[in-house]
Parts: sequence; C-alpha cells; structure tokens
Amino acid sequence: GNSVTQMEGPVTLSEEAFLTINCTYTATGYPSLFWYVQYPGEGLQLLLKATKADDKGSNKGFEATYRKETTSFHLEKGSVQVSDSAVYFCALSALTGTASKLTFGTGTRLQVTL
Amino acid sequence: KAGVTQTPRYLIKTRGQQVTLSCSPISGHRSVSWYQQTPGQGLQFLFEYFSETQRNKGNFPGRFSGRQFSNSRSEMNVSTLELGDSALYLCASSLLSGRAGAKNIQYFGAGTRLSVL
Repeated sequence: GNSVTQMEGPVTLSEEAFLTINCTYTATGYPSLFWYVQYPGEGLQLLLKATKADDKGSNKGFEATYRKETTSFHLEKGSVQVSDSAVYFCALSALTGTASKLTFGTGTRLQVTL
Repeated sequence: KAGVTQTPRYLIKTRGQQVTLSCSPISGHRSVSWYQQTPGQGLQFLFEYFSETQRNKGNFPGRFSGRQFSNSRSEMNVSTLELGDSALYLCASSLLSGRAGAKNIQYFGAGTRLSVL
C-alpha cells in the first residue's frame, strides 16, 4: 500500500537557521505530493505541492522537489523564523484506487527559537 | 471566499453516547473527506463523499458513518462512543473526487475536537 515516512521530531532551530525535513514515500506510479502545516489549535493548511517528477513546489520561502529516483520530497527553507514553529506533514495522493484519499506521514514538529 | 467550516469546534461526550459533526465545504466544492487525527495513529482517512454518495472508505468500524446533502454539506456520526474515539476530526473539501493534484486541492477546516469521558 501507499505510505509516507517523515523524519522524527521535534526539530529545534535558531531563527535564521536552515531547515530540512526529510520525507520519503512508497506508492504505485506517480502520486501527487504535498506538504501541509498545522499551527497550534488549527487545521491543516496546504504549504506546497508537486504533481509530477522533478516538479518543485514553493511557497513562503519553503521549497520541495519531487524526486522519483529517490522517492523523496524533502522540505527546505533557507532561513526559518519563529513564526514557522508548527507541525509539518508530508502527504501523497495516489494515482489509482482510493485516489481522493490523502496518506500522511506522522508529522514533524518544528520549534524555532530566538 | 469562505473556507471550510466545521461545527462545533469542541465536544465532550461520555462513553456509549453518539455524536454528529458537521462540515460546510468551500462554495463550489463537491467532495468532502473526513480524517481522524490522534497522537498515536496520526492522520487517518475516514471516508469521502461526492454528490451525496460515499466514494471511498477508510479502515474504521461501522460505528463511524457519514452523509452528504445536496448542498454538499456533510455530517459524520459516531455511535456508541468509546474512549479511543477521542480525537481531532478534520474535514477537507475539494472541487472534485479523485486524485488530488494541481487543480484538485484538499482544503481543511479547523476541526472538531471530540473528548470522550
């Protein structure tokens, strides 16, 4: 079946540090890939997406590239801010079968300090 | 344009009771999906409704059910509540059913936090 594996958290960084959150997936064919972010007490917000191999999704300084050869979709940001503190979820949507279902990773909590 | 609205935001119930949660999708969206979020199991897909029909179902017992109305609003019901049903229940809407992609993004509501005592 489909699955998403994310690096364990929490990740604690100082403001302006470089961020990488690793995400790898297992799926048949070419799934669509997403990063969602969840702030305390809120639902999920779409951060960025990529729908085919080598696509780069980007938003608010965050980037992720769809790498089919390594089945990865790592999230990066060059300089994090305190306001980026949240839980980040990597997710995929399969090409076939229960296509509308999103399969999520376990989430990675990011804490940014001054 | 208003986002996905879930009501109520918080609920406290006791074991054995039943509960109904409501979700109003983004205007024009016809697909509504439900997810359960718990610290132990993470985010798990419950079911999806499109045009008043259940399209997909996750691996949950029959106590969990849902429906969708002609205006695309959806409700989910949990009967005979158990302690383990305590969770954040998230609703997501999208334009269409089927593979999420560039033109079919799932947008989430703020969720309903259910506590079962």
